[in-house]
Amino acid sequence: SQQGEEDPQALSIQEGENATMNCSYKTSINNLQWYRQNSGRGLVHLILIRSNEREKHSGRLRVTLDTSKKSSSLLITASRAADTASYFCAGGSGGSNYKLTFGKGTLLTVNP
Amino acid sequence: GAGVSQSPRYKVTKRGQDVALRCDPISGHVSLYWYRQALGQGPEFLTYFNYEAQQDKSGLPNDRFSAERPEGSISTLTIQRTEQRDSAMYRCASSPLSEKLFFGSGTQLSVL
Repeated sequence: SQQGEEDPQALSIQEGENATMNCSYKTSINNLQWYRQNSGRGLVHLILIRSNEREKHSGRLRVTLDTSKKSSSLLITASRAADTASYFCAGGSGGSNYKLTFGKGTLLTVNP
Repeated sequence: GAGVSQSPRYKVTKRGQDVALRCDPISGHVSLYWYRQALGQGPEFLTYFNYEAQQDKSGLPNDRFSAERPEGSISTLTIQRTEQRDSAMYRCASSPLSEKLFFGSGTQLSVL
């Protein structure tokens, strides 16, 4: 089963613009992570935000978490063509039985 | 090795045959996860190990699917009596008991 739902399913922007992707999840989580997947390749971890955090930055990435609404957003600033990829949120839950459950993803296209 | 290695990269098999998919995690990583990803979807959790112990196999679709990690390193996901609906990308990930996962490039399984 999928933990999260990303919104929008697809997003097309011009290079230099900002891209915002949203994620809603269903169950309680310890943390919320975002991964990127380039076409035909493996998933790469981007950023992790813990359930007691509200906002986190990493380079051009900014992620927010609202546990009351069970939602998160990923902002990519000053996008580049190389940012074209699918982006997935994933909710981490469990202690000793830690499990990461992914959403369906947002396909981001950055046009040069 | 430098990253998570999966083999074979592609596997084409006939319905009814058994297949074994291999995952070689990053050296020293305690946790190993198996996911299945259908086209246009996010990865779906199958099972995971800490060391050689299978901690959670709740995502395995049915008893044709099994996994092992006998020495706490390399893992094999076996699908018996394959069916066309088993066709998907099978992804392995490892983690050093942190929450962040490192993914391999996956095995694309096609059942004819």
